Amino acid sequence: EAGVAQSPRYKIIEKRQSVAFWCNPISGHATLYWYQQILGQGPKLLIQFQNNGVVDDSQLPKDRFSAERLKGVDSTLKIQPAKLEDSAVYLCASSLRSLGGRTEAFFGQGTRLTVV
Amino acid sequence: AQSVTQLDSQVPVFEEAPVELRCNYSSSVSVYLFWYVQYPNQGLQLLLKYLSGSTLVKGINGFEAEFNKSQTSFHLRKPSVHISDTAEYFCAVSGQNQGGKLIFGQGTELSVKP
Repeated sequence: EAGVAQSPRYKIIEKRQSVAFWCNPISGHATLYWYQQILGQGPKLLIQFQNNGVVDDSQLPKDRFSAERLKGVDSTLKIQPAKLEDSAVYLCASSLRSLGGRTEAFFGQGTRLTVV
Repeated sequence: AQSVTQLDSQVPVFEEAPVELRCNYSSSVSVYLFWYVQYPNQGLQLLLKYLSGSTLVKGINGFEAEFNKSQTSFHLRKPSVHISDTAEYFCAVSGQNQGGKLIFGQGTELSVKP
């Protein structure tokens, strides 16, 4: 079974530029998550989708971050414009269904963003 | 709301020695508990999880953890570590019936020395 695919693996941009990350979850997984992991910290949820609907985006900085999951499969996370503090690893994860939290989330390898 | 505290940011240990990585949580609702491992430049991999039932949970790579409700702890243990266990370990909680969102601790860096 193929895992969660993310691209690109690494990205370096200047502040105020825009950037987009792509995620392809495990086939059949209805729930998709985007987490931000700043160096030295644990991952923090940015947004959760159930199929193509948003379940939780309470910690997404909506003035600069946006995400979509068209057709309930692939997802794209965008930052525009980027700030220095956005430097982090962006992790995508998926699970079969949330089932109230019982199901395992599978993580991709992440995209490491450096904003200079 | 939930929160997770990992009590040690770094744990150095010699190969074949036992190790314990400590995790405490707080929550106003019942929770599910998880331990994930992250190798350099990799995503997170699930080691083990506590959903219900026996408080002693066994996971992959010889790790186990014990859920202690009265002390709100979920410490991770391994009786004999290997060099290959060197990695970052994250404790996480998910509130029951709260959609599967994981709240992570800040991580513990386990460094196994020969």
